Amino acid sequence: GENVGLHLPTLSVQEGDNSIINCAYSNSASDYFIWYKQESGKGPQFIIDIRSNMDKRQGQRVTVLLNKTVKHLSLQIAATQPGDSAVYFCAENIEDTGRRALTFGSGTRLQVQP
Amino acid sequence: SQTIHQWPATLVQPVGSPLSLECTVEGTSNPNLYWYRQAAGRGLQLLFYSVGIGQISSEVPQNLSASRPQDRQFILSSKKLLLSDSGFYLCAWSVRNRPTEAFFGQGTRLTVV
Repeated sequence: GENVGLHLPTLSVQEGDNSIINCAYSNSASDYFIWYKQESGKGPQFIIDIRSNMDKRQGQRVTVLLNKTVKHLSLQIAATQPGDSAVYFCAENIEDTGRRALTFGSGTRLQVQP
Repeated sequence: SQTIHQWPATLVQPVGSPLSLECTVEGTSNPNLYWYRQAAGRGLQLLFYSVGIGQISSEVPQNLSASRPQDRQFILSSKKLLLSDSGFYLCAWSVRNRPTEAFFGQGTRLTVV
């Protein structure tokens, strides 16, 4: 089964508000956690990743927080825009298995209301 | 710059027919290559990945196979399609030492009828 899952299947926010998308994981051997965005009918697009020895990483309008104590990952989007509407996936990379691929969670749909 | 091509975009095939989906990458050498499947409203399930020519790792035993005849070519095949093979198939590549940032193709929506 999957090691990565999400708390909320759908999140609706007002344009301009901040969005927080959450993800829980169970595998402590993950060395990287990643967020992807998938717009309708397209392939997923890399947003940001965070190494397991970090707590926070910031990108352009996005921040990823990692809480290893409770095995929780979140993606914060500042000043959410209509173009942010998409499905967001968290994923993990486990380096010690020799596997060279990511394990994806089931996704959260973000709907931005004008 | 690197690009990934995946075709066809949509495909309707009868049960029992063969399948061949092709994916090619340009602008990079020796990439990791992946095939994922996505059921409607669901996450991505890894089917196969490859770290080199002729090297294929299968994640889930099923009615599909993959081949990598050239460094930047990845093919997903089936001898006889099942109804359960319907889905959105995505090819992706990543730099060898950076598997966290995968670049996905536009996907193939396969409907088996």
